[in-house]
Amino acid sequence: NAGVTQTPKFRVLKTGQSMTLLCAQDMNHEYMYWYRQDPGMGLRLIHYSVGEGTTAKGEVPDGYNVSRLKKQNFLLGLESAAPSQTSVYFCASSYYRGRDGELFFGEGSRLTVL
Amino acid sequence: DQQVKQNSPSLSVQEGRISILNCDYTNSMFDYFLWYKKYPAEGPTFLISISSIKDKNEDGRFTVFLNKSAKHLSLHIVPSQPGDSAVYFCAARTGGGNKLTFGTGTQLKVEL
Repeated sequence: NAGVTQTPKFRVLKTGQSMTLLCAQDMNHEYMYWYRQDPGMGLRLIHYSVGEGTTAKGEVPDGYNVSRLKKQNFLLGLESAAPSQTSVYFCASSYYRGRDGELFFGEGSRLTVL
Repeated sequence: DQQVKQNSPSLSVQEGRISILNCDYTNSMFDYFLWYKKYPAEGPTFLISISSIKDKNEDGRFTVFLNKSAKHLSLHIVPSQPGDSAVYFCAARTGGGNKLTFGTGTQLKVEL
């Protein structure tokens, strides 16, 4: 009963380094999302995917890239990390159109960029 | 441009009393509104939702009210319990991609 799993849970990067966050879901959901949470800002959508092989930009996409090569996985990449990307990142998934709009979230990945 | 606003960053309520959390929105194209609950170091979990064609939805101790003319919704928790202490996010859905726009959250503290 894993649901949505994010890897890694914590990471510290230096400015300019690259990294990839992995999200895996075992609920056979069509849609997947990456959000970031910052103090006083709520959760903001970075990128999302409506199916295998598709991706789309959200509210704050700059500095991030994503890929969805398999239905169950959604990867978030930072090519050249900046201190402004210090945040908690949440992956989520949902059925097509969702049950009443419900998204299922992972536990989050805390990223610090020095 | 904050389309979903939660103007109260925090709320403190005594155990057994009613908690009322408020949310305002600006986009009349939102078709579903949801409340999520978040504990520290965990992901948000779905609590309750309401369609834009309804004005009330109830689930146990939780009731959500929607006032479309005022573009306002509220979450009522009765009676409040210490385990309800968490951050509550209001969210609204737009059409394609089932995308949710979140408010900034309200920290609820239920005191004994």
